[in-house]
Amino acid sequence: AQTVTQSQPEMSVQEAETVTLSCTYDTSESDYYLFWYKQPPSRQMILVIRQEAYKQQNATENRFSVNFQKAAKSFSLKISDSQLGDAAMYFCAYRSYWGGSEKLVFGKGTKLTVNP
Amino acid sequence: SQTIHQWPATLVQPVGSPLSLECTVEGTSNPNLYWYRQAAGRGLQLLFYSVGIGQISSEVPQNLSASRPQDRQFILSSKKLLLSDSGFYLCAWSVGGAGAYEQYFGPGTRLTVT
Repeated sequence: AQTVTQSQPEMSVQEAETVTLSCTYDTSESDYYLFWYKQPPSRQMILVIRQEAYKQQNATENRFSVNFQKAAKSFSLKISDSQLGDAAMYFCAYRSYWGGSEKLVFGKGTKLTVNP
Repeated sequence: SQTIHQWPATLVQPVGSPLSLECTVEGTSNPNLYWYRQAAGRGLQLLFYSVGIGQISSEVPQNLSASRPQDRQFILSSKKLLLSDSGFYLCAWSVGGAGAYEQYFGPGTRLTVT
């Protein structure tokens, strides 16, 4: 079964600086998808960025980018020019295709604090 | 555009009472639907998913059940709540089939069992 590991329960960053959140996963599949979700204090889950495993190019969305290392099964999220509104729980997720339904496997999350 | 609704937003129920949480999706047809539970300070645990009306798959055996009476309606139920059922319940939908179809989440229901 696929597993997703986020080894950093908490991280902090100064406003305007850059922070990287780590994520590793375990799978025997060759085709899959990876996501980063953000959960602010409101607890609404918001998609931040996604990566298709067959694409070598790292995904970027404005200040958010990923470092996808398929051989190492690593999928880290970099937040540049951190803002106070970036403070949230961040979850890494793996999309498994099984039995005709797509399932997301989540890591346990990293709590990001942004200091002014 | 697609929207997903959940209600109620918060709920306080005594142990042994029944439960019904509702989720509806607008703006799409034949979505895949999911129920997750998030305990305090922890990640998301998939409880049920559905690929169509009347088609429910359970991930974790427990005293909860799910039903999908209509294409865009997903209901989470229990006949008798346990203290351990407390948590934050999230409903999500996605487009079915192959492709990077991410899941979109509702606002959630905070359930406290007393």
